[in-house]
Amino acid sequence: DAKTTQPPSMDCAEGRAANLPCNHSTISGNEYVYWYRQIHSQGPQYIIHGLKNNETNEMAALIITEDRKSSTLILPHATLRDTAVYYCIVRVGEGGSEKLVFGKGTKLTVNP
Amino acid sequence: EPEVTQTPSHQVTQMGQEVILRCVPISNHLYFYWYRQILGQKVEFLVSFYNNEISEKSEIFDDQFSVERPDGSNFTLKIRSTKLEDSAMYFCASAPRRNALETQYFGPGTRLLVL
Repeated sequence: DAKTTQPPSMDCAEGRAANLPCNHSTISGNEYVYWYRQIHSQGPQYIIHGLKNNETNEMAALIITEDRKSSTLILPHATLRDTAVYYCIVRVGEGGSEKLVFGKGTKLTVNP
Repeated sequence: EPEVTQTPSHQVTQMGQEVILRCVPISNHLYFYWYRQILGQKVEFLVSFYNNEISEKSEIFDDQFSVERPDGSNFTLKIRSTKLEDSAMYFCASAPRRNALETQYFGPGTRLLVL
């Protein structure tokens, strides 16, 4: 699975958009970008995933650059409950290993 | 919304003792996983389990560890002789199908402390 690079920490004001970047310059054509988050001491929670098109769901939006070497997770209106560690994971969607490989992620702090 | 549950939430044990961590996966799920997270470190994959067999395991998952689905609802992780370095949060996860990452649901975790 391709390696990802994320900033160790970010801050965001409550109600503003939080934009979390991820670099995955060695991503290959059949690898997806997944985002998970872990609120303090809880189990990781799936947020969103995509291959090459931008994706949106009720939690977030995922913007993937045209060359697929980086992506941005957007939380449109961050709340205090969005304070968490956010993980960007790149892996093959089908046929590959089942395991999730977590890096250190980005610790997002949403401030009042 | 269905959820994965884990018991106990906290466990304290003496080094060398056996512990069993329990998980109740979501009822229609067929694939089960254990991960662990040592305090302040990354979440690490331990093992995946399907059809009463281990399908993948990490190098962490040595002979001291075993998994079982004893009764069709519980999924357990046993550590035979705990070591200090086994102290961690242990997360169970389940999924309805293989490689469906968006549907790999995690439980709240069991915090294990080995003294």
